[in-house]
Amino acid sequence: DAKTTQPPSMDCAEGRAANLPCNHSTISGNEYVYWYRQIHSQGPQYIIHGLKNNETNEMASLIITEDRKSSTLILPHATLRDTAVYYCIGLSPPSGTYKYIFGTGTRLKVLA
Amino acid sequence: DGGITQSPKYLFRKEGQNVTLSCEQNLNHDAMYWYRQDPGQGLRLIYYSQIVNDFQKGDIAEGYSVSREKKESFPLTVTSAQKNPTAFYLCASSRDRAGGELFFGEGSRLTVL
Repeated sequence: DAKTTQPPSMDCAEGRAANLPCNHSTISGNEYVYWYRQIHSQGPQYIIHGLKNNETNEMASLIITEDRKSSTLILPHATLRDTAVYYCIGLSPPSGTYKYIFGTGTRLKVLA
Repeated sequence: DGGITQSPKYLFRKEGQNVTLSCEQNLNHDAMYWYRQDPGQGLRLIYYSQIVNDFQKGDIAEGYSVSREKKESFPLTVTSAQKNPTAFYLCASSRDRAGGELFFGEGSRLTVL
């Protein structure tokens, strides 16, 4: 599974787009990128995942660079409730072992 | 409603006592996981199970034990051998061994006095 690197913290003004970067330079060709977030003292919540193409759902958009070495999670109109720790994870398809390695993530603070 | 239930939510124990944390899921998921989280830190994998009657050590398995006798249940025992057991423990599941979205419980906060 790819090691991912994220900035430890970011601030974003309420109503603006929050762009959270993730570096995964060791990612392999069949490895998915997953994003989760964790609001204080709760279990992490799935946001979105992708392989090569950009993805969008009701929560966020995921932009993956063409070389797949990095990605950006975009929250288009951040609200105070989006204040959380965001985790980027690389995950391989079946090879017998799934370990879902979480790093320390990015602590996003949305400011009023 | 389908989901993952962890109990108890808060637990206090004396040093040297074994403690068992419960994790039950009614999502019919094959794979289940236990993570530990310390203040200000990310999640670290303790154990995971991809199928009934089988489980694998994660990165920090020492001082912990698990069982997977039923598909819906994956209890974690924190033994007296775990040197620093005070932490937030999270249980998760995924649909199958092929990975996919992880579903988490609300966590159990263990404090050892």
